[in-house]
Amino acid sequence: GAVVSQHPSRVICKSGTSVKIECRSLDFQATTMFWYRQFPKQSLMLMATSNEGSKATYEQGVEKDKFLINHASLTLSTLTVTSAHPEDSSFYICSVSPPSPNEKLFFGSGTQLSVL
Amino acid sequence: QKEVEQNSGPLSVPEGAIASLNCTYSDRGSQSFFWYRQYSGKSPELIMFIYSNGDKEDGRFTAQLNKASQYVSLLIRDSQPSDSATYLCAVLHFGNEKLTFGTGTRLTIIP
Repeated sequence: GAVVSQHPSRVICKSGTSVKIECRSLDFQATTMFWYRQFPKQSLMLMATSNEGSKATYEQGVEKDKFLINHASLTLSTLTVTSAHPEDSSFYICSVSPPSPNEKLFFGSGTQLSVL
Repeated sequence: QKEVEQNSGPLSVPEGAIASLNCTYSDRGSQSFFWYRQYSGKSPELIMFIYSNGDKEDGRFTAQLNKASQYVSLLIRDSQPSDSATYLCAVLHFGNEKLTFGTGTRLTIIP
């Protein structure tokens, strides 16, 4: 079964609205989760590392005030795209790091965001 | 120079033949290497991972790693139309859990 649950799978919203995406670790407690973004025909780009109980670590070029990350529990991280604009339209994917080192990351099913 | 480089393709291979996908990386401190398959509109799914130099086989898939040349490859034997997808090479850096992805190679298996 799925190890990581990500919702919603698809969002269509108007420009200027905020969108929240949830990522849940179903099989184990995850102190670290990752958020990736993928534009069409491009690879996954890491946006930020979500740390349970502390502030997220953002990659260079990613606006922390626009992409709000909350990791309030060991099984849930949320990404909120604030005041979304058409250029934010992308495929957003979360991943969860398992307890054992060198193990594979588990990916959520992804969220396709379309901003009109 | 990109950290992880792949030929974007498309790579076309006849059904039943061997598909060979290549990836080079720049960080010598990289410790783990992953191959993911991604269908259009879907999340990546793990195909193989490899840590040590040499070959690792799993069914129709063989991963090859050469750390001296900073090169990792994926061979798919007896290619099937269902293997048609984008294959992403990813590298895990020593000391952290961040995966860096290549741009992916689009593979098409021709029936």
